[in-house]
Amino acid sequence: NAGVMQNPRHLVRRRGQEARLRCSPMKGHSHVYWYRQLPEEGLKFMVYLQKENIIDESGMPKERFSAEFPKEGPSILRIQQVVRGDSAAYFCASSPQWGSNQPQHFGDGTRLSIL
Amino acid sequence: DAKTTQPNSMESNEEEPVHLPCNHSTISGTDYIHWYRQLPSQGPEYVIHGLTSNVNNRMASLAIAEDRKSSTLILHRATLRDAAVYYCILGGNAGNMLTFGGGTRLMVKP
Repeated sequence: NAGVMQNPRHLVRRRGQEARLRCSPMKGHSHVYWYRQLPEEGLKFMVYLQKENIIDESGMPKERFSAEFPKEGPSILRIQQVVRGDSAAYFCASSPQWGSNQPQHFGDGTRLSIL
Repeated sequence: DAKTTQPNSMESNEEEPVHLPCNHSTISGTDYIHWYRQLPSQGPEYVIHGLTSNVNNRMASLAIAEDRKSSTLILHRATLRDAAVYYCILGGNAGNMLTFGGGTRLMVKP
């Protein structure tokens, strides 16, 4: 019973490059959430997607960041022209349904390091 | 948004029960109380959630005060693997997002 799969586990990029983080939700889950954890800080919500739709992106920086969850394939968090401040752990979570009583199941994250 | 207040850290001895408190005095009637934990270098892990009644599962128990302004996560027998940061989170406001605070860092002594 595979859980939420994130890859890569570690990603190193130079300033100005693009970073692509992938998340495959648990089987049967159509709701995906991305969170970011900056060094020595708590987790912060970024974006919530349902298949092919962005439901809530209130936590996403307005520039350089985008997310998608296509009909087929994993959800992708894309960061263009990365800067040092993007270095963080990025976690993806999934749930089977909408609702405030729905537990979210998390992956083990992608640790992004910017040189 | 309703907030939660937790102690920064707690210590426990191995194989003893642990009671992790959480205050949420501004909780609304539709807010669920969720607990997650995060072990070092891992993603958060769902522990338990409830609305009004106490809840039990294989990981823990959740005791909710009658006025719902506080709750307690109970680990019945702490093990070294329970050392983690425990987050108490209210779900119900602003959609499905989880708002993580600082949590309680639980240290378990052998």
